[in-house]
Amino acid sequence: EVELVQSGAEVKKPGESLKISCKGYGYSFSGYWIAWVRQMPGKGLEWMGIMSPGASYARYSPSFQGQVTLSADKSIYTAYLQWSSLKASDTAMYYCARPRYGGNEADAFDIWGQGTMVIVSS
Amino acid sequence: QFVVTQPPSASASLGASVKLTCTLSSGHSDYTIAWHQQQPEKGPRYLMTVTSDGRHSKGDGIPDRFSGSSSGAERYLSISSLRSEDEADYYCQTWGIGIQVFGGGTKLTVL
Repeated sequence: EVELVQSGAEVKKPGESLKISCKGYGYSFSGYWIAWVRQMPGKGLEWMGIMSPGASYARYSPSFQGQVTLSADKSIYTAYLQWSSLKASDTAMYYCARPRYGGNEADAFDIWGQGTMVIVSS
Repeated sequence: QFVVTQPPSASASLGASVKLTCTLSSGHSDYTIAWHQQQPEKGPRYLMTVTSDGRHSKGDGIPDRFSGSSSGAERYLSISSLRSEDEADYYCQTWGIGIQVFGGGTKLTVL
């Protein structure tokens, strides 16, 4: 079964760093881009960026450029979303998602992770 | 500006049908979109893609009660024989090279 499994919920303080993960199962991980999507409490879905694990290349939404870093370790089928200095406004649920077709970043997301809740509070 | 617009809410009665709308911005009326369902306290689930000529391609396990269609810059998600579990937020998504766009979502209430 194709699935994306994300790391567990995190509670952090402002200014701390954080790296959350998304592991792919049941498909050729290197062959598919992985996207990250933010959902703030009570709000809609926002695309943050997308990463090619095979090419180690990432594109960022202008709203998130410079605020987060996308990376991946294809040897363990895992993508990462990282912050160097969290803010209270980073409090949200974060989803990873995979486009339908391999090698294609511009496509519908047909596989979603279960989400990772990040709470940033002093 | 490349956006998709959705009405914030819709409602219909149990057992009835409903048609949700996603409108593509000017200059993007030929784009394909995807529909996703997000039930309360759950993550998004892919439902289908809908092309500019109205063809739809559903995800695995999506019931026949769900279908898609198009007219001009509008893409539709139709749900028939509404059930209580269809009460959810529905998001449309579209894309290009280097960009992904989500609509603001429509909250469907099943009365």
